[in-house]
Amino acid sequence: DVKVTQSSRYLVKRTGEKVFLECVQDMDHENMFWYRQDPGLGLRLIYFSYDVKMKEKGDIPEGYSVSREKKERFSLILESASTNQTSMYLCASSLWGGYTEAFFGQGTRLTVV
Amino acid sequence: KQEVTQIPAALSVPEGENLVLNCSFTDSAIYNLQWFRQDPGKGLTSLLLIQSSQREQTSGRLNASLDKSSGRSTLYIAASQPGDSATYLCAVRQLQGAQKLVFGQGTRLTINP
Repeated sequence: DVKVTQSSRYLVKRTGEKVFLECVQDMDHENMFWYRQDPGLGLRLIYFSYDVKMKEKGDIPEGYSVSREKKERFSLILESASTNQTSMYLCASSLWGGYTEAFFGQGTRLTVV
Repeated sequence: KQEVTQIPAALSVPEGENLVLNCSFTDSAIYNLQWFRQDPGKGLTSLLLIQSSQREQTSGRLNASLDKSSGRSTLYIAASQPGDSATYLCAVRQLQGAQKLVFGQGTRLTINP
């Protein structure tokens, strides 16, 4: 079974803190994604990576950065957390190429106070 | 820009009924369409993947169809059970745009015992 594991289910952070969300996949997938999910807005892509050290901006990259130093790990970084970044964050992975299935982690519910 | 719409936004039916969830998309230049299930506060679980060249896919009581030319997909659930209660999301994998998934807003399904 493909496994995508996010480091935390719930996080509470203070405004201005630097926040790291970690995601690990165990199926040697090339593609990894970070989405955020908000009521009424659905899932929106933040960043995407198709290889180690490679990244592309998604639809809403402002206020976020990412790191992919190893193939299995993709980190989302909130440089200075703000209350409008309170959300559910979802990591996904897939093999390279568009014909393959995407698998998601269990989600991280981040609250910024 | 690709837009994915799911109708209805919410559906409540008695146990045992067969039901259909709808998904439409505006740009037919896709690799595939994937149906997911999401339980409250959890991540996404992949249900079915239909490639752009396919017409339907089946898994147990679930059957998904795809009409790429008209930009429509349906998810058919047979003999519904209370355990089927969840939000169902469809997503298309675009030919352009970093192979990202574009999601609909989801249909929240409640099966009443």
